[in-house]
Amino acid sequence: AQSVTQLGSHVSVSEGALVLLRCNYSSSVPPYLFWYVQYPNQGLQLLLKYTTGATLVKGINGFEAEFKKSETSFHLTKPSAHMSDAAEYFCAVSDRSWGKLQFGAGTQVVVTP
Amino acid sequence: DTGVSQDPRHKITKRGQNVTFRCDPISEHNRLYWYRQTLGQGPEFLTYFQNEAQLEKSRLLSDRFSAERPKGSFSTLEIQRTEQGDSAMYLCASSSHVTSAYNEQFFGPGTRLTVL
Repeated sequence: AQSVTQLGSHVSVSEGALVLLRCNYSSSVPPYLFWYVQYPNQGLQLLLKYTTGATLVKGINGFEAEFKKSETSFHLTKPSAHMSDAAEYFCAVSDRSWGKLQFGAGTQVVVTP
Repeated sequence: DTGVSQDPRHKITKRGQNVTFRCDPISEHNRLYWYRQTLGQGPEFLTYFQNEAQLEKSRLLSDRFSAERPKGSFSTLEIQRTEQGDSAMYLCASSSHVTSAYNEQFFGPGTRLTVL
């Protein structure tokens, strides 16, 4: 069985500061890992994904994430927060190339001026 | 490519009524998924289609819920005898085994259901 834990349901960052969102997963097989962003009353937009190969993956809007197998983690970072980054972020895992994604509970990001 | 579309975007109904939602996936995406998202939670998987075949269903999909994808293109999700606990955002996603071997799913804007 696969599962995802996102540490911190709410994160507040100052504009220009580092954004760090934590995600830990469990999977019985090498996982595919995803970060999605959701703006109010909208669907989910894919930020980035880890499949195989390079463990540091870059996504849209300046976000990146690092896959650490030994720590079963896939934390999301952005060096400098922008007001437009205020949204909810979801980490998701899949243990195969089809079928359901297992999502974490999400982290709400607030960006303060 | 216009993305995944869902209709309606919002639905308000009274308890006990039936509702039906529609999802149009990205054209030529052969895989289609339904998820449910309640306030403050991540999306929860409901069901999955490959072409017209429904290959996986969650235990969340009670006998009041039914999903179809008759021609392997659009899909419908019907909830019969709605209950207040059905109030949620219903999200549809699609993917293609041709363009992505890694289960990359593209989501629609969702249908928000409110059961009074």
